[in-house]
Amino acid sequence: DTGVSQDPRHKITKRGQNVTFRCDPISEHNRLYWYRQTLGQGPEFLTYFQNEAQLEKSRLLSDRFSAERPKGSFSTLEIQRTEQGDSAMYLCASSLVALFLGYTFGSGTRLTVV
Amino acid sequence: QQQVKQSPQSLIVQKGGIPIINCAYENTAFDYFPWYQQFPGKGPALLIAIRPDVSEKKEGRFTISFNKSAKQFSLHIMDSQPGDSATYFCAASQGGSEKLVFGKGTKLTVNP
Repeated sequence: DTGVSQDPRHKITKRGQNVTFRCDPISEHNRLYWYRQTLGQGPEFLTYFQNEAQLEKSRLLSDRFSAERPKGSFSTLEIQRTEQGDSAMYLCASSLVALFLGYTFGSGTRLTVV
Repeated sequence: QQQVKQSPQSLIVQKGGIPIINCAYENTAFDYFPWYQQFPGKGPALLIAIRPDVSEKKEGRFTISFNKSAKQFSLHIMDSQPGDSATYFCAASQGGSEKLVFGKGTKLTVNP
């Protein structure tokens, strides 16, 4: 296991289209997080799963955003009716047991909405 | 509302110098303060973290200094190297939440 894997690495889509990103966490990690990072900013929290349960969601996660982790392993983040303001790097991270051990982030999916 | 304020935005030092990056917070419920390092095209990677019950923590060339009364914490990089050139983010979280609040980042350049 080489770390957190995200797919695709880059996505260009037209405004109004739907997009879906996938995250495969480190296999033994039961916690999975989604963050969004825009240019020149730090990552912003979107949502968090413990196993398959979505335990916390940010107000940033509008009705157009949905995340799932159906079997407590991989996760998907879907954005419906994309807008130009959705252009960002979408980062997935995973961790085991306690936050104090720190997240392991993936390399992200860069979304460009044109 | 920015909950963690980070400065400076960018920093240039010579090899061997000691860059210092500062962060300040307002939420006294924060109880975990990590620093992350990010290289272009990569996700952030955890460098070092501290809890407020200690004033300093050192791991290799990286040291966090923590001032609870001032609600400030800082990262010092000893004997900096060109390979340390990256963007550094401070962050914070509070007990009971898995959410990290990040600063805006500091782009560090270490010249040879």
